[in-house]
Amino acid sequence: KAGVTQTPRYLIKTRGQQVTLSCSPISGHRSVSWYQQTPGQGLQFLFEYFSETQRNKGNFPGRFSGRQFSNSRSEMNVSTLELGDSALYLCASRLSGDEQFFGPGTRLTVL
Amino acid sequence: GQQLNQSPQSMFIQEGEDVSMNCTSSSIFNTWLWYKQDPGEGPVLLIALYKAGELTSNGRLTAQFGITRKDSFLNISASIPSDVGIYFCGKKTSYDKVIFGPGTSLSVIP
Repeated sequence: KAGVTQTPRYLIKTRGQQVTLSCSPISGHRSVSWYQQTPGQGLQFLFEYFSETQRNKGNFPGRFSGRQFSNSRSEMNVSTLELGDSALYLCASRLSGDEQFFGPGTRLTVL
Repeated sequence: GQQLNQSPQSMFIQEGEDVSMNCTSSSIFNTWLWYKQDPGEGPVLLIALYKAGELTSNGRLTAQFGITRKDSFLNISASIPSDVGIYFCGKKTSYDKVIFGPGTSLSVIP
C-alpha cells in the first residue's frame, strides 16, 4: 500500500507570492492533517480535514488555508508569503486509532 | 497553552549504550505519543500510552506514562546507528490535532 505522498517535495518562492501544496493520503484514509515544522517553533498543527470538512484549526493567520476533495486528497494554500513561512510542511493521514501516517513533507523556502 | 518540554535537547552516545529521554507537561495528559523522525522524513509513531503508570515496549524501545499523568519517558536499549533521529513526544487533543514537544535529537557514534 502506498504511503502518504506530498508534492512538490521542494519549492522556492519569493515574498508576496502564493503557494499551493498537495497531499494524497493513504488509500481509504479520510482524515488529513497538516503541520508546519521549523527549527524555532518545532512541529505546529495547522488544520485537519475529514470528509471535506475542516474539523480543527491551529493558531495560524488567515493566509494559511486548506481544503479536502471528495477523494480525500488535500491541498493547503499560503498567500502573501513571508520569509517566516519557510518551513517543512507535513501532511498526515489517519484511518482509525491514534496513528497518523506522515508524508515526507514539502520543503518551502521563501526568498 | 499546552506546552511540552523534552530533555535532553540533544544526545551523543556510543553505539550499544542505552538511552533515556523524557517529556513533561504542566497539564495532565490522557494520551502520550512518542514519535521518531528520520532525516528527510516525516515522524513515525513509535509508542502510544493511555493509562497512568502504563509501561509499553516496542522492540528495544520502552515508554512509560508517568503516575502524575504529567510526564513520560522513553528508553532505547543497546542503541544502533539507525536509532539516529529526532524523538518527539506528543499529546493528542481533539480529533487529530497533536501537540508536539520540541524534540530530542539523538546521534549514535559507531
